[in-house]
Amino acid sequence: NAGVTQTPKFQVLKTGQSMTLQCAQDMNHNSMYWYRQDPGMGLRLIYYSASEGTTDKGEVPNGYNVSRLNKREFSLRLESAAPSQTSVYFCASLGAVNTEAFFGQGTRLTVV
Amino acid sequence: EDQVTQSPEALRLQEGESSSLNCSYTVSGLRGLFWYRQDPGKGPEFLFTLYSAGEEKEKERLKATLTKKESFLHITAPKPEDSATYLCAVSTSGTYKYIFGTGTRLKVLA
Repeated sequence: NAGVTQTPKFQVLKTGQSMTLQCAQDMNHNSMYWYRQDPGMGLRLIYYSASEGTTDKGEVPNGYNVSRLNKREFSLRLESAAPSQTSVYFCASLGAVNTEAFFGQGTRLTVV
Repeated sequence: EDQVTQSPEALRLQEGESSSLNCSYTVSGLRGLFWYRQDPGKGPEFLFTLYSAGEEKEKERLKATLTKKESFLHITAPKPEDSATYLCAVSTSGTYKYIFGTGTRLKVLA
């Protein structure tokens, strides 16, 4: 009964390096979301996917790209990491937009 | 632009000292308002959903209420294990966005 699984849990990158954060859910949910959480800033929406095959920008999309690979998986890519992208990243999924969200355990990313 | 604002940012209570957390929202059309609890190093966990003004939900020492402009999370006789960050979120009509507030960090002292 995994729910939402994120990998990796921790990552350190050098400025300019690229990486992909992976997210998978096993609840057959349609909608998936990527957030970043910084101290005092709450959760800010980066990108979301309402359903398989669609993606949309959230509040803070600059510097990120996403792929909804299939119904289960939604990845977040940093093409050229910057220190401002140091944060904790959370993936979430929803069965329907007006229902509760289920979150992964987060990826703590540090860009040096 | 849809906005969610929470207050206070941080709150320290003595065990047994009841209080309320506020979540104010400005949205084009509210589909639902959600409360979550987040413990350090973990993802948020769902507490309540409220859909319409006047609705109330309760769970143990927590009670959530909703008006047309804000929601309150009332904590009655809190215990140290209630210490956490409490987040509210809204989903809005016409989009699939799910927007969070900045959270309230609650510390309950024994």
